[in-house]
Amino acid sequence: EPEVTQTPSHQVTQMGQEVILRCVPISNHLYFYWYRQILGQKVEFLVSFYNNEISEKSEIFDDQFSVERPDGSNFTLKIRSTKLEDSAMYFCANLGQGGKGYTFGSGTRLTVV
Amino acid sequence: QKEVEQDPGPLSVPEGAIVSLNCTYSNSAFQYFMWYRQYSRKGPELLMYTYSSGNKEDGRFTAQVDKSSKYISLFIRDSQPSDSATYLCAMRAFNKFYFGSGTKLNVKP
Repeated sequence: EPEVTQTPSHQVTQMGQEVILRCVPISNHLYFYWYRQILGQKVEFLVSFYNNEISEKSEIFDDQFSVERPDGSNFTLKIRSTKLEDSAMYFCANLGQGGKGYTFGSGTRLTVV
Repeated sequence: QKEVEQDPGPLSVPEGAIVSLNCTYSNSAFQYFMWYRQYSRKGPELLMYTYSSGNKEDGRFTAQVDKSSKYISLFIRDSQPSDSATYLCAMRAFNKFYFGSGTKLNVKP
């Protein structure tokens, strides 16, 4: 079963620091997404990425967030100046060909202190 | 009005019970309907995927979609303690997905 791999599994950072969350998506998949889930709350859309550019972003995805595909395989989410409220699980997801649902990674737990 | 409404539970049932999980939605553009299972501190895992109205069965799981009522259901037969998790409904319109808040299910041995 193809997997989406995320690293690190857990990151603790000080408020104001920059973090980069990494994802290795399933090869040959075209659409990439970042979602976040604050503890006990719903999964929230952040951004979608297609053909090496952002196709859609939510109101959560403000100027402190950015996404890249630096080397054609990895897919990163950068948070420039972290805030306490950025503490959450961040999930990378692929949309498979045919659009049949997402495959999610196991997530990165970000804790901002 | 929220795009997708889902009762958060928790729902507690004895082992072997039939479980019914439900979501309602407001957007008529939704055409693809999914159920995900999420164990604590893990990523959601796709369980069922249906397109448009109708039923789909996979082992102990049955997904139902009623587009006229804007209502979807997931039934779990012969529930097991390993089914204890949070179940998320999700719906797709164009290339955007909308998730319910999840229902926490506890199956007691």
